[in-house]
Amino acid sequence: QVQLQESGPGLVKPSETLSLTCTVSGGSISSYYWTWIRQPPGKGLEWIGYIFHSGSTYYNPSLKSRVTISLDTSRTQFSLKLSSVTAADTAVYYCARGAIIRGVIIASPMDVWGQGTTVTVSS
Amino acid sequence: EIVLTQSPGTLSLSPGERATLSCRASQSVSSSYVAWYQQKPGQAPRLLIYGASSRATGIPDRFSGSGSGTDFTLTIRRLEPEDFAVYYCQQYGSSSWTFGQGTKVEIK
Repeated sequence: QVQLQESGPGLVKPSETLSLTCTVSGGSISSYYWTWIRQPPGKGLEWIGYIFHSGSTYYNPSLKSRVTISLDTSRTQFSLKLSSVTAADTAVYYCARGAIIRGVIIASPMDVWGQGTTVTVSS
Repeated sequence: EIVLTQSPGTLSLSPGERATLSCRASQSVSSSYVAWYQQKPGQAPRLLIYGASSRATGIPDRFSGSGSGTDFTLTIRRLEPEDFAVYYCQQYGSSSWTFGQGTKVEIK
């Protein structure tokens, strides 16, 4: 059974770059879409962006200028970089996998999620 | 960007009762590409429904989804104790996916 695990610093200073990694275990990283989503404290979910196994990416327009998602198939990992962070970027960050619906690999919805990792932006 | 508005914000019900959650979109959602997720405290969201009305693998049949266009509904036929949680709708019919703000189903 595929499992996802986020990792990275729990504290990032304002104006710096947030970097997180999602490690995929128990399954292949190929042939799927891989997504990052975040949830500010006490608030709802916000989609950040996704990457396909081919390397093509799509980002939330509101974050696009600051986001980079990349894939490392040799390590079965994908990563998130968010630059110029502020306190508004404080959130639980989730990685997730796009589902297979009736044999078709799709970007959304997401049927496998990591447990989430908390990132606080503070000096 | 398609804005999703969920109502009510909180639903207070007893086990065994029926829950009806609403998700309204600011514009029509292409091909009914709406999903519903359940989230419990300290946990990641869990996919319940996709394509507005299809249950994800392993989801009990007391959960059902319906709707099209701009109005979508998640119904929980008879609430079990484990169903008390926050529920989010998501649209993925546009190039920018969005989520509703959530409906909390709490024990009355």
